[in-house]
Amino acid sequence: EPEVTQTPSHQVTQMGQEVILRCVPISNHLYFYWYRQILGQKVEFLVSFYNNEISEKSEIFDDQFSVERPDGSNFTLKIRSTKLEDSAMYFCASSDNPDNGGETDTQYFGPGTRLTVL
Amino acid sequence: AQKVTQAQTEISVVEKEDVTLDCVYETRDTTYYLFWYKQPPSGELVFLIRRNSFDEQNEISGRYSWNFQKSTSSFNFTTTASQVVDSAVYFCALSEGLTGANSKLTFGKGITLSVRP
Repeated sequence: EPEVTQTPSHQVTQMGQEVILRCVPISNHLYFYWYRQILGQKVEFLVSFYNNEISEKSEIFDDQFSVERPDGSNFTLKIRSTKLEDSAMYFCASSDNPDNGGETDTQYFGPGTRLTVL
Repeated sequence: AQKVTQAQTEISVVEKEDVTLDCVYETRDTTYYLFWYKQPPSGELVFLIRRNSFDEQNEISGRYSWNFQKSTSSFNFTTTASQVVDSAVYFCALSEGLTGANSKLTFGKGITLSVRP
């Protein structure tokens, strides 16, 4: 069964450093998302991406964050200058074209990348 | 603005007990989707079910069932004869709009279910 993959599973970085979190969405999906979960808290929406541009972003997704689909398979989240409060689990998700019917437009999540900022 | 409330934070049951996880949502849209996701100790988010606002039919899948009631804005999840493998954090989520695609999910805070042998 196709699945979303994310690398690395755990990233440790120093405050102020740039990090890039990588995701490979399910291959025929068109919509891509990033969420984060601070330890012990709820999952929060960061950004959605479709047709090579951001569709929606939350207040959390400030100028320090950016997303990119550099090729036909990867979807990345970059944090330019990490802060301590960026420490969280970051989840990538993808969903299909809703015109395909059924539940194909359900968001399926990757296993997450745990980011630790020291 | 959309909001999901999971008032229960932690529930502990003994194997074979039935348990219901509550979810109450708020939205101004007439068209929306409701979801349940499971987060086992390994951390990934596993999709369980989705319902659209036009479909109030209850769903049963093996030991799991979901009760959607628009009148009370609730979408509750019941596990019958619970097992240790059901131990996880369960999240209820809501998305607004005509489709689930390209719509952000708003999650509740999650309910930690512990099933003891």
